[in-house]
Amino acid sequence: SYEVTQPLSVSVSPGQTANIACSGEELSDKYTSWYQHKPGQSPLLLIYHDTQRPSGIPERFSASTSGNTATLTISGTQAMDEADYYCQAWDTSTAGVFGGGTELTVL
Amino acid sequence: EEQLVESGGGLVQSGRSLRLSCAAAGFNFDTYVMHWVRQAPGKGLEWISGISWNSLVIGHADAVKGRFTISRDNAKNSLYLQMNSLRPEDTAMYYCVKDLGTQQGIGMDVWGQGTTVSVSS
Repeated sequence: SYEVTQPLSVSVSPGQTANIACSGEELSDKYTSWYQHKPGQSPLLLIYHDTQRPSGIPERFSASTSGNTATLTISGTQAMDEADYYCQAWDTSTAGVFGGGTELTVL
Repeated sequence: EEQLVESGGGLVQSGRSLRLSCAAAGFNFDTYVMHWVRQAPGKGLEWISGISWNSLVIGHADAVKGRFTISRDNAKNSLYLQMNSLRPEDTAMYYCVKDLGTQQGIGMDVWGQGTTVSVSS
């Protein structure tokens, strides 16, 4: 079955740019989504169709895909952005495989 | 407001069955792909099942294939997950999730609050 991998953790200073990578075989041939998940809350969709932001998601959240790697970029990172971030690759028509998640620390 | 409310979770012994339900409101339920996603304690998100608007396209993760069955009743705005032969490793928070897509998955834009399933050995 298809798999995608993410780093366990990423650290960033407030105001700086955070990049979270997601790798999978021929990932550029699949659509990728990104989610933010904070403790005690339900996950939040940040990006779909590789680069599209749902309404209400700040412009400082962006994403790109090249080859086997998708990247979520958070510009001007804020303390409120501390959370777990998950990428998701759409393998078959209804199967969306999640990466293991990346814990973002803002310090 | 788009809303999903799960029910049916609880404590169950290994090998038994459980049926989760999800009531949808605030959107055209019969238009979108729906999913079940779970998160075991201390672990990440895991997609387990998805179903197209017309139930013609259905998928299950390998971890639950042959044991879990997703279904929907568009007339009742409801999504279901029949879970048979439960194992301790099925212990998790189970989320009902709406997709942006109609026939295939695109992105999960509405999530329920989740229902907890605990399986004892």
